[in-house]
Amino acid sequence: DTGVSQDPRHKITKRGQNVTFRCDPISEHNRLYWYRQTLGQGPEFLTYFQNEAQLEKSRLLSDRFSAERPKGSFSTLEIQRTEQGDSAMYLCASSPKPSYEQYFGPGTRLTVT
Amino acid sequence: GENVEQHPSTLSVQEGDSAVIKCTYSDSASNYFPWYKQELGKRPQLIIDIRSNVGEKKDQRIAVTLNKTAKHFSLHITETQPEDSAVYFCAAINYSGGGADGLTFGKGTHLIIQP
Repeated sequence: DTGVSQDPRHKITKRGQNVTFRCDPISEHNRLYWYRQTLGQGPEFLTYFQNEAQLEKSRLLSDRFSAERPKGSFSTLEIQRTEQGDSAMYLCASSPKPSYEQYFGPGTRLTVT
Repeated sequence: GENVEQHPSTLSVQEGDSAVIKCTYSDSASNYFPWYKQELGKRPQLIIDIRSNVGEKKDQRIAVTLNKTAKHFSLHITETQPEDSAVYFCAAINYSGGGADGLTFGKGTHLIIQP
């Protein structure tokens, strides 16, 4: 499968715990985006990487959230001290510059109890 | 920032009929407008897109139209089939600024195809 992959697909955690998600973009896609989707809503932008550089962060991305993309390949999104409001689907998308299309991964569904 | 409004929130049509979903955007600098189809529990799937230098684009039963002056774009699905049932999202982005702000999505339209 040469599409965007994400791991894990589901994560259940207790409030206050830290969680980390991984995204593997399509090979040679230099743009990588993270989005969050809650039930009944469209995805909301969280952060953007061009190669290894994190160029933009949404105001939705509080200090508890951090993202990395070492060497411009896979990316990780970490949430520290999870809260119930963090429960959502976390989606990753990649895009090959200079094209405009963004291709989404299957997402990681986070449930904070 | 960009704001995208999408209507209707739910659309029920008879199989074989046409469906139209409409979106408006607020940022005149936006220049790329994709449409995604999302089935329950699955990833958003890009089905068609349009750039600001084009007024209309068609791919088999699916077409998208763009009116830059009115800041309005629409998805048209003809000869609807049961497998078209899903949630459809419109989105907008300004790639002239590098695309760093990500896609801004509408709230989605739940399309129901009645047999």
